[in-house]
Parts: sequence; structure tokens; C-alpha cells
Amino acid sequence: KAGVTQTPRYLIKTRGQQVTLSCSPISGHRSVSWYQQTPGQGLQFLFEYFSETQRNKGNFPGRFSGRQFSNSRSEMNVSTLELGDSALYLCASRTGLVNNEQFFGPGTRLTVL
Amino acid sequence: GESVGLHLPTLSVQEGDNSIINCAYSNSASDYFIWYKQESGKGPQFIIDIRSNMDKRQGQRVTVLLNKTVKHLSLQIAATQPGDSAVYFCAEKSGGGADGLTFGKGTHLIIQP
Repeated sequence: KAGVTQTPRYLIKTRGQQVTLSCSPISGHRSVSWYQQTPGQGLQFLFEYFSETQRNKGNFPGRFSGRQFSNSRSEMNVSTLELGDSALYLCASRTGLVNNEQFFGPGTRLTVL
Repeated sequence: GESVGLHLPTLSVQEGDNSIINCAYSNSASDYFIWYKQESGKGPQFIIDIRSNMDKRQGQRVTVLLNKTVKHLSLQIAATQPGDSAVYFCAEKSGGGADGLTFGKGTHLIIQP
């Protein structure tokens, strides 16, 4: 069974631009979560989607948003990019909201110049 | 929110020795704990989990111990191998499943030949 896939793997943007990252969960997994990983703050929860609905959200500004499609694939969008948004963005999937084991993708490395 | 932390940022052990990685958590409502391993350039990989109604769980070469009295979690790796070199994160969850994971800062395990 294929794992969680994320595209693109690397991305370079400039301040003020916006970016969209994509995540395809493991087949059969309906929940997708997004995390931001930086050296200073570590791994931080952004939001989780299940059945195309955002179920929970971390402490991030409204510039960070996401959505989930009917096939469980998810995208996250960051608008008006700031230098501090440079990070590894990780997507994780699990079968549902009760099953807690999450499987992570390789991440998208975003660099904001 | 409350955070989960690691006692040591770096742990160096001899190949073949046992490794113990520690984690302290502060949210007394946490009911589920996970250890992840992250190798360079990859996303976190699930190692083992434990629920709050248990105090010990064993996997292949790994054991997780949970002490709820002092809010302490540890990961023991038996007969450490070069492939065990990675950053290890503890993560906790509360709220029955819908909340995101709260991660510790991570411990870098270095295996000496």
C-alpha cells in the first residue's frame, strides 16, 4: 500500500506570494492533518480534515487555510507569505478520528525569500 | 496550550548498547502517547504508542514506559543499531481523538561505532 505522498517536495517563494501544497493520504484513510516543522518551534499542528470538513485547528493565523476533497486528498494554502513561514510542511493521514495512529508523508520544504 | 518536552537534545550511545530517551509532558488530560522517529529528509515514522490506561508496552526492540504520576514517558531501544540514528519525538494527544498531536522538541540519537 502506498504511503502518504506530498507535492511538491521543495518550493521557493518570495514574501507576499501565496502557495498551495498538496497531500494524498494512504488509500482508505479519511483524515488528513497538516503540521509545520521548524528548528525553533518544532512540530506544530495546523489543522485536520475529515470528510471534507475541518475538525480542529491549531494556533496559526488565518493566512493558513486548507481543504479536503471528496477523495480525501487535501491541500493547504498559505497567503501573503512571510519569511517565518519557511518550514517543512508535513501531512499525516489516519483512517478516522478515533484511530489515533497517524502516518506522515515526506513533507514539502518551503523556503520564503 | 500545554507542551510536551524532551529532557536531552542529544543522546550518544555505543552500537549494541540500550538507549533510553525521555520525555516529560504537562497536560494531565493527555490520554494517548506516541513515539516517532525522524530520519534526515523524511517525515516522522511511527514507532510505538501507548494509551493512558497502560504503563508499559513492548514492540520489536522497543519498549515505551508511561508514568502518569510524574507525567513522564520513555522510549527504550534494545541493542541499538546504526539505523537507529535519528531524531526521536514524543507526542501526546487528548480529547478522545479529534485534537492534533502535540510534539516535544526531539532528541537526536547518535550511534557510536
